[in-house]
Amino acid sequence: DGGITQSPKYLFRKEGQNVTLSCEQNLNHDAMYWYRQDPGQGLRLIYYSQIVNDFQKGDIAEGYSVSREKKESFPLTVTSAQKNPTAFYLCASSTLDTNTEAFFGQGTRLTVV
Amino acid sequence: GEDVEQSLFLSVREGDSSVINCTYTDSSSTYLYWYKQEPGAGLQLLTYIFSNMDMKQDQRLTVLLNKKDKHLSLRIADTQTGDSAIYFCAESIEGYQKVTFGIGTKLQVIP
Repeated sequence: DGGITQSPKYLFRKEGQNVTLSCEQNLNHDAMYWYRQDPGQGLRLIYYSQIVNDFQKGDIAEGYSVSREKKESFPLTVTSAQKNPTAFYLCASSTLDTNTEAFFGQGTRLTVV
Repeated sequence: GEDVEQSLFLSVREGDSSVINCTYTDSSSTYLYWYKQEPGAGLQLLTYIFSNMDMKQDQRLTVLLNKKDKHLSLRIADTQTGDSAIYFCAESIEGYQKVTFGIGTKLQVIP
C-alpha cells in the first residue's frame, strides 16, 4: 500500500535535547513538507523540499533542521534552539503539479519536559 | 502574499446543514481545497475547486467560490456525528509548489 508514514506517534524528550522525527513516503512524490500544529493556530510550514538534496525554509524554520538525502525520506530535527518545541508535527508529500493533493502522515506528538 | 482565514469553531445539530467559510487574499489562486482532520490524525483531502469554477458538488458536499469577494465555503448536507472534525481551507497558486492552509474550523455535531 502506498502512503506516508511518520514515526513515532508519541515522543517525549527532556528540555535541551535534540530529537529527530521520521517521515517516509513510497508514493514517488517529489515534494515533502513539515508542518507544526498548535491549538488555535492551524498549520504552520516549517520546511519543504522539492528535490533530493535541496530544501527551503518555511514560515517558522528557526530551531529546526531537515535533510533530504533520499526521495523517500525527509527527517526533521527539533534542536535545543527551538524555544517551544511541544506540538503536533505533520509531514506531507505531493507531486509538483499545480493541482496536487497533499498526502499527510498521521503526525507525531512531541512533548518536551 | 498568501493568507487564508477561517473562523475557529462551528456547532450544528445532527441532520442540519453545516456551512464552513474561508477567505483568501491572493487573487491569483489557482486551486482551493478543503481538507478534513479527525482527532489525532493527519489531514485528508475532501474536495477541491479550480478558480474558474463557481460551484462543485460531491454527494453531501457543496463548494461555493465567490471570486469577487475571495470567499470559499463548504456546505455539508445532513451533517452526521462522524463529520465532527477540523476542516482546513487551503490554496495553491500556479507556479508555486506550496499549499497555504487556513487555521482550521472545528466542527462539532450535536446528536
